[in-house]
Amino acid sequence: EVQLVQSGAEVKKPGESLKISCKGSGYSFTSYWIGWVRQMPGKGLEWMGIIYPGDSDTRYSPSFQGQVTISADKSISTAYLQWSSLKASDTAMYYCARVPGYCSGGSCYWDYFDYWGQGTLVTVSS
Amino acid sequence: EIVLTQSPGTLSLSPGERATLSCRASQSVSSSYLAWYQQKPGQAPRLLIYGASSRATGIPDRFSGSGSGTDFTLTISRLEPEDFAVYYCQQYGSSPTFGGGTKVEIK
Repeated sequence: EVQLVQSGAEVKKPGESLKISCKGSGYSFTSYWIGWVRQMPGKGLEWMGIIYPGDSDTRYSPSFQGQVTISADKSISTAYLQWSSLKASDTAMYYCARVPGYCSGGSCYWDYFDYWGQGTLVTVSS
Repeated sequence: EIVLTQSPGTLSLSPGERATLSCRASQSVSSSYLAWYQQKPGQAPRLLIYGASSRATGIPDRFSGSGSGTDFTLTISRLEPEDFAVYYCQQYGSSPTFGGGTKVEIK
């Protein structure tokens, strides 16, 4: 059974750093991309970026480039989303999702997000 | 970036009724790379439809998707109590984007 299990809720202060995780199981972790999606309170879904754990190829949505860092450790089937300096506006639920896809000639093409983690709630407040 | 506009924002219907949700893209969606997701309160999104019209594993046949180019539709033929939720469309391919969502609520 494919599962993505995310780390627990976090409460942080503005300016602090944070790294949340997403552990995959039940499939070949290095053969699929892992995407990250933000959902601010009462709002819709926003694609943040995506990583291929097989070689750590990472792509970011222009809206999130430079705001977060996505990484992965294939030895423990885990992807990460991190912030170096949190802001109150980072308060949101963050989801990881498994994404089939491929790259060719420098461009990458991704499929639908077929399995999702349960989400990690990040609250940033002074 | 392809912008997806979903309408209506909220759909108020009764169980047993038919629901028709629209998703319009700002430019043509390649190869019908269009998916629909359902999200219930406190839960992660769940894939319903991919490729504009293919149902994901385990999705009941009362859910159907159609459309191509810039206009797509999700239809729920007869609403069950568990179908009241928020629905999002997504275009995938080279730079995924999501629509703003349609809430299907009990009338």
